[in-house]
Amino acid sequence: DTGVSQNPRHKITKRGQNVTFRCDPISEHNRLYWYRQTLGQGPEFLTYFQNEAQLEKSRLLSDRFSAERPKGSFSTLEIQRTEQGDSAMYLCASSLGTGSAAHEQYFGPGTRLTVT
Amino acid sequence: EDQVTQSPEALRLQEGESSSLNCSYTVSGLRGLFWYRQDPGKGPEFLFTLYSAGEEKEKERLKATLTKKESFLHITAPKPEDSATYLCAHSGSQGNLIFGKGTKLSVKP
Repeated sequence: DTGVSQNPRHKITKRGQNVTFRCDPISEHNRLYWYRQTLGQGPEFLTYFQNEAQLEKSRLLSDRFSAERPKGSFSTLEIQRTEQGDSAMYLCASSLGTGSAAHEQYFGPGTRLTVT
Repeated sequence: EDQVTQSPEALRLQEGESSSLNCSYTVSGLRGLFWYRQDPGKGPEFLFTLYSAGEEKEKERLKATLTKKESFLHITAPKPEDSATYLCAHSGSQGNLIFGKGTKLSVKP
C-alpha cells in the first residue's frame, strides 16, 4: 500500500500525559500537513512542512503542540500535558506542490485521541 | 475571513433519487475548490479539484461544478454505497485547505 499511513490509530491517555503520533506520507510527496477534526466538523489546519521545513502554523497550534519532519520523510506530532479539549481525530495529509496555494492532498486514516 | 458553508447538513435519499449538495465560499481569488468523501472513522478521500468558473468534473455517479460563488456536487441515481460525509474545501493562503462542516448523505435501498 503506497498511501499515507498513521500510527497509532487510536490512543487513550490521561490528562497531563504527553503523546506522540507518527505520519508516513506518500514517498514522492514533498508536502506534509497536520489537521485536527472533531465530531461534526471539517478538518482544521494545524501545520505543514515542505520537505523538512515547517512553513506555517495555525493559531490553533498552542505551545503544547510540536511537530517535526526530520530529513523530509516521516513526521511526528507531539502534544505535551494533554487536556480533555485535545480529544479529536488527528489527520495527516501529503501532496506535491510549490508556492502558497494548496494542492490535492491525500489523507491518512487518522489517529483518534481520547484524553480522560 | 475565508469561509466555506455547506448545505444541507444532512440529506437522506432513496436509492436512485438524484440530488445536489451545495458549497458556498467567500474568498478573494479562489485558488482551487476541492471535494472529498469521508466515511465514518476514516480520513477524507480526494474526489475532485476545480479551479475556474464553468469547470465540471465527473466520476461515476458524481459530478462537481463551479461558479464564482459556489460549487455543487451532483449525485445521479445514488446507491447505498454512496452514503458518506462529503466535504468541500478551498485553498487557504498558508498552503492549507479550509474545510466546510460537510454534508452527511444517507442513501436507503
